[in-house]
Amino acid sequence: AQSVTQLGSHVSVSEGALVLLRCNYSSSVPPYLFWYVQYPNQGLQLLLKYTSAATLVKGINGFEAEFKKSETSFHLTKPSAHMSDAAEYFCAVSDGAGGFKTIFGAGTRLFVKA
Amino acid sequence: ETGVTQSPTHLIKTRGQQVTLRCSSQSGHNTVSWYQQALGQGPQFIFQYYREEENGRGNFPPRFSGLQFPNYSSELNVNALELDDSALYLCASSPTPDREKFFGPGTRLTVL
Repeated sequence: AQSVTQLGSHVSVSEGALVLLRCNYSSSVPPYLFWYVQYPNQGLQLLLKYTSAATLVKGINGFEAEFKKSETSFHLTKPSAHMSDAAEYFCAVSDGAGGFKTIFGAGTRLFVKA
Repeated sequence: ETGVTQSPTHLIKTRGQQVTLRCSSQSGHNTVSWYQQALGQGPQFIFQYYREEENGRGNFPPRFSGLQFPNYSSELNVNALELDDSALYLCASSPTPDREKFFGPGTRLTVL
């Protein structure tokens, strides 16, 4: 069975500050991991994904995430927050090849203060 | 641009009614998944279709059913609607079941 835990339902940062959104996963098989962003009244957009290649994954809009197997974590970071980053962020896990469903975390809403 | 579209955008139904939601996948994507996202929560997996056959299902009752058609369109049907069915319903397509999913904008269903 797979699961995802996102630590913190709300995160608030100042514009220009570091963004850190935390995600821990549980998986009995090597996981595929994803971060999605959702803007109000919209669907999900893929930010980045880990598929067992490089452990540091770079995504769109300056985001990156590092896969740490020993910590079962896949935290999302961005060096400098922008007002346009304010949105809901979802971490997700899939069992990849041969697997069929993606399990999402509950989400973290990011607020960016001017 | 994902290329996944859903209709309608919004829908209001009453308890006990039936509803059909539609999704048009990207061309060449043989897999479509449906998710229910209640307000303030993450998406919950309903089921997945691969080449017109259901090949995975989450913890949803049989009154949630689906169809996938050869032209890359699909449907989610919900019978005997309940108030708790009010949610954003997302469909996502991918070339194969284990590949990256591309999400549509969703259909907002309100059950009164």
